[in-house]
Amino acid sequence: DIVMTQSPDSLTVSLGETATINCKSSQNVLDTSKNEHFLAWYQQKAGQPPKLLIYWASTRESGVPDRFSGSGSGTDFSLTISSLQADDVAVYYCQQYYSSPLTFGGGTKVEIK
Amino acid sequence: QVQLVQSGNEVKKPGSSVRVSCKGSGDIGDTFIKYAIGWVRQAPGQGLEWMGGIAPLFGTPQYAQKFQDRVKMIADRSTGTASLELSRLTSEDTAVYYCTRTSIAVPGSGPAYYFYFMDVWAKGTTVTVSS
Repeated sequence: DIVMTQSPDSLTVSLGETATINCKSSQNVLDTSKNEHFLAWYQQKAGQPPKLLIYWASTRESGVPDRFSGSGSGTDFSLTISSLQADDVAVYYCQQYYSSPLTFGGGTKVEIK
Repeated sequence: QVQLVQSGNEVKKPGSSVRVSCKGSGDIGDTFIKYAIGWVRQAPGQGLEWMGGIAPLFGTPQYAQKFQDRVKMIADRSTGTASLELSRLTSEDTAVYYCTRTSIAVPGSGPAYYFYFMDVWAKGTTVTVSS
């Protein structure tokens, strides 16, 4: 199974500042035939189901604010939240879909300073 | 806009089975044709764990090996419903169970398919296993 490791476990950021969450996969999740990275990011607010933010490592889901951006390649990926807002308080998860079973990172909790 | 609606919370005894249902509502469109229904669970205070899924178009489920011998997933595209059955429950199965709409890739003309990302999530069903 591909192991997804997120860092940090938690992050405290001031309003309006930038939060960066890292995700490392235990093996490459790049499909060379498609030239796409099989990686997604989700946001889970307290008491709610997860919400898809980013797929193909950097494609924003419809309706997701452009302050959320995904980047990375190979085995190292990042989710960046620019101009952090109070509504962004949540746990964020990365997920690989390169191979079965689909696996998630352990989550990163983002809080406001 | 498509929504997935799950059955209500359950309390079960160790060793028993639980069945959670999931029904598409709203503008389900081609949800039960072009997508799979995936199942993800989340133990209290823990992260997300993929259990498997089923593409209703093909009818053949795929399970995470961890659950292979005690899980059953079915889906019916004519009614827009899916279900998860988990047997031989233990306290470690206490969790919120989510059904999801999962994008898939179909590489050929046969029934093989691959799961991608999950763009619609139901609110979840809490299953508590306790004696």
